[in-house]
Amino acid sequence: AQSVSQHNHHVILSEAASLELGCNYSYGGTVNLFWYVQYPGQHLQLLLKYFSGDPLVKGIKGFEAEFIKSKFSFNLRKPSVQWSDTAEYFCAVNADSNYQLIWGAGTKLIIKP
Amino acid sequence: SQTIHQWPATLVQPVGSPLSLECTVEGTSNPNLYWYRQAAGRGLQLLFYSVGIGQISSEVPQNLSASRPQDRQFILSSKKLLLSDSGFYLCAWGSTEAFFGQGTRLTVV
Repeated sequence: AQSVSQHNHHVILSEAASLELGCNYSYGGTVNLFWYVQYPGQHLQLLLKYFSGDPLVKGIKGFEAEFIKSKFSFNLRKPSVQWSDTAEYFCAVNADSNYQLIWGAGTKLIIKP
Repeated sequence: SQTIHQWPATLVQPVGSPLSLECTVEGTSNPNLYWYRQAAGRGLQLLFYSVGIGQISSEVPQNLSASRPQDRQFILSSKKLLLSDSGFYLCAWGSTEAFFGQGTRLTVV
């Protein structure tokens, strides 16, 4: 069965620190990959997605993610975080032949001002 | 553009009472529709999905049911709520990419 693993449930960083949130999935075929973000009091929204092409994907607000097929990973990165990046981040995977999204447990990111 | 409406935003219901949460989508036809429950530290749990009117698939057997009476309407229901039904419920539409409603915070007391 497909699964998605996010390595950290809670991450606390200071402003201007670099961020990397891990995401690994288990599925041997073609996948579509997503990072969603939920800011406090707001609904889930798409941060970035990978369908095909350049494995380094750039999203909104300076975030990027790199798809490494050999490692089954899609880690989220940001070189310098801001206090406004405080949110919960979810990785999700959709197998190419399946319209369902499989979700990671989420990572709560807290940025100290 | 497509929009998704979910209501109510918050709900407090006594144990044993019925439940009806409604979700409607605008700006698209024949969308795939989903009901999720979001639990702290556990991510999103898919409860039901629907690929068309009257077509409902259940992912997790429980005290809840779903219906799709119209193309762009998806309803989450229960005949008798349990304390364990408390949580945050999200409606979504989409195929490879999901678009979410604002969510409903349900507290069963």
